[in-house]
Amino acid sequence: NAGVTQTPKFRVLKTGQSMTLLCAQDMNHEYMYWYRQDPGMGLRLIHYSVGEGTTAKGEVPDGYNVSRLKKQNFLLGLESAAPSQTSVYFCASSYRGTHNEQFFGPGTRLTVL
Amino acid sequence: QKEVEQDPGPLSVPEGAIVSLNCTYSNSAFQYFMWYRQYSRKGPELLMYTYSSGNKEDGRFTAQVDKSSKYISLFIRDSQPSDSATYLCAMSRNAGGTSYGKLTFGQGTILTVHP
Repeated sequence: NAGVTQTPKFRVLKTGQSMTLLCAQDMNHEYMYWYRQDPGMGLRLIHYSVGEGTTAKGEVPDGYNVSRLKKQNFLLGLESAAPSQTSVYFCASSYRGTHNEQFFGPGTRLTVL
Repeated sequence: QKEVEQDPGPLSVPEGAIVSLNCTYSNSAFQYFMWYRQYSRKGPELLMYTYSSGNKEDGRFTAQVDKSSKYISLFIRDSQPSDSATYLCAMSRNAGGTSYGKLTFGQGTILTVHP
């Protein structure tokens, strides 16, 4: 039982490049989330999904897109990376209708030059 | 103004000290309150969970919620160097429903416990 996994762990991009971050969970969770964490800002929700084939915007969605084609996977895309997107990205998942405990992945450190 | 405010610290204490970590919030609809612990270069993990007002104790950790003051606290007794981490408070309006399990996090407090 791997829990929540994220790939890649590290990435360096140049401004304007694109990339996709992959999140996978093996706990059969309905809900999945993408956050970014910046110093002094805590965790800010980018996008989330309440089930396969659904996505919704969070607090800071601009510049990102997501897809949930399979229940266990949640992809985060950066179409044209900007230095302001340098951050640590965390994926999380949770059961539907419980007390909202979210299980987090180990994070992806992204630097945009 | 942020919905959840948390003193970012950093906080440095000697081993064995009692640590108090706090968050205030503005949304009276919050009912579920959590504390996450995040070790350096790791993902957050749930440490304590409470529903509505009251206290909850788990070993050396005690979580308190005062909904009338919109204030939550985490106390760590007999702190250990292994407690050194970032502590994040988090809260939500309800379980599932239209909030879809979304959490609102504080900024996190960096704690260092030195031997």
